[in-house]
Amino acid sequence: GEDVEQSLFLSVREGDSSVINCTYTDSSSTYLYWYKQEPGAGLQLLTYIFSNMDMKQDQRLTVLLNKKDKHLSLRIADTQTGDSAIYFCAEAGGVSGGGADGLTFGKGTHLIIQP
Amino acid sequence: DAGVTQSPTHLIKTRGQQVTLRCSPKSGHDTVSWYQQALGQGPQFIFQYYEEEERQRGNFPDRFSGHQFPNYSSELNVNALLLGDSALYLCASSVGLSVIEAFFGQGTRLTVV
Repeated sequence: GEDVEQSLFLSVREGDSSVINCTYTDSSSTYLYWYKQEPGAGLQLLTYIFSNMDMKQDQRLTVLLNKKDKHLSLRIADTQTGDSAIYFCAEAGGVSGGGADGLTFGKGTHLIIQP
Repeated sequence: DAGVTQSPTHLIKTRGQQVTLRCSPKSGHDTVSWYQQALGQGPQFIFQYYEEEERQRGNFPDRFSGHQFPNYSSELNVNALLLGDSALYLCASSVGLSVIEAFFGQGTRLTVV
């Protein structure tokens, strides 16, 4: 079945850029997503990218998609303490972005901010 | 504008019991999806409801069932609870079967003892 892989932890200094990486296996993925989860909270949609794009920028967030290598990354510029959270990569296929099994998530990357 | 609301926030049940979780979608949304997030894991898709019917289903047993009401709110029912059903249950709402901009609720933390 489809799989989404992420490294479990990333530690960065406050003010530096954070780059969170993700690989996926489903070549039919239409949309790829980044969600943020703070402790004890639900998921917050940060951004998403359509598979025919290779880059999307939204304020401090930059998403890069390498469809050939099935690699997605999220860059957070000027990382702040409020960015400390778990970041989930997710993929979906189909024209509705829903795929056959909803969204498929990775296990999440814990972003740790050092002062 | 209220976002996605889920109730209750926390729940403790005994093995073998049955539980019902509730979700009200974001205003203007008509599709509800349910996910199970075990500790330290990413969310896993359970099923999706649209027009009061189950439209898609993930790899979950029949003990997991649901319902969608005419006002688009939804319930998730789990029968014969197992210890392994302990998890955060997340509801997501979206428009018209698409999950392109799915908004998640805060979740219901279910503990089975």
